[in-house]
Amino acid sequence: QVQLQESGPGLVKPSGTLSLTCTVSTDSFNSYYWSWIRQPPGKGLEWIGHIYHSGNTNYNPSLNRRVSISIDTSKNEFSLNLRSVTAADTATYYCARDLGIGDAFDIWGKGTFVTVSS
Amino acid sequence: QSALTQPASVSGSPGQSISISCTGSSSDVGAYQYVSWYQQHPGKAPKLMIHDVSDRPSGVSNRFSGSKSGNTASLTISGLQAADEADYYCSSYTASGTLVFGGGTRLTVL
Repeated sequence: QVQLQESGPGLVKPSGTLSLTCTVSTDSFNSYYWSWIRQPPGKGLEWIGHIYHSGNTNYNPSLNRRVSISIDTSKNEFSLNLRSVTAADTATYYCARDLGIGDAFDIWGKGTFVTVSS
Repeated sequence: QSALTQPASVSGSPGQSISISCTGSSSDVGAYQYVSWYQQHPGKAPKLMIHDVSDRPSGVSNRFSGSKSGNTASLTISGLQAADEADYYCSSYTASGTLVFGGGTRLTVL
């Protein structure tokens, strides 16, 4: 079955860049959109953005100036970069398979918690 | 984009039915048939329960159903069970081509 696994540093310094990678085990990587979603401790979900195998991206307007998502179809991986982080970016970051139009996320990674602190 | 509005909490007794509302605007919930609902147990990743307003993914109990009227979508859970106690989030596609979530609703099974 399809599995997603987030990886990356669990601690990032303020003003630094948060970088995470999601590795996907699937034969149909190029058939879907792939999204990043985050959840601050004790708070709700926030969509960060998504990417298609073509490289087309779309981002949450509130993060648009700081975020970029890239994809490596040869490795079945997609990555998140969030620049100029602050403590408010401390959250569990999830990657998820995005069904495309309508953006329903049917398969999720387990999530990785990232702390922004000096 | 503003978060969709959900009640902070709802509760019900085993066997009862409950509904959770999700209110947006004419630029998101009201504009598209692209509302989804997620269930999240503590410490776990969310699970897709409903997509495209009322479609259930394979494996999701038919006790879960979704609907929409105007700018408000609803998730109904019938025959409430203890295992249904969780946080529930709605989401909607928006006119900007982005996605917005609701603030979440804590369901307590009494």
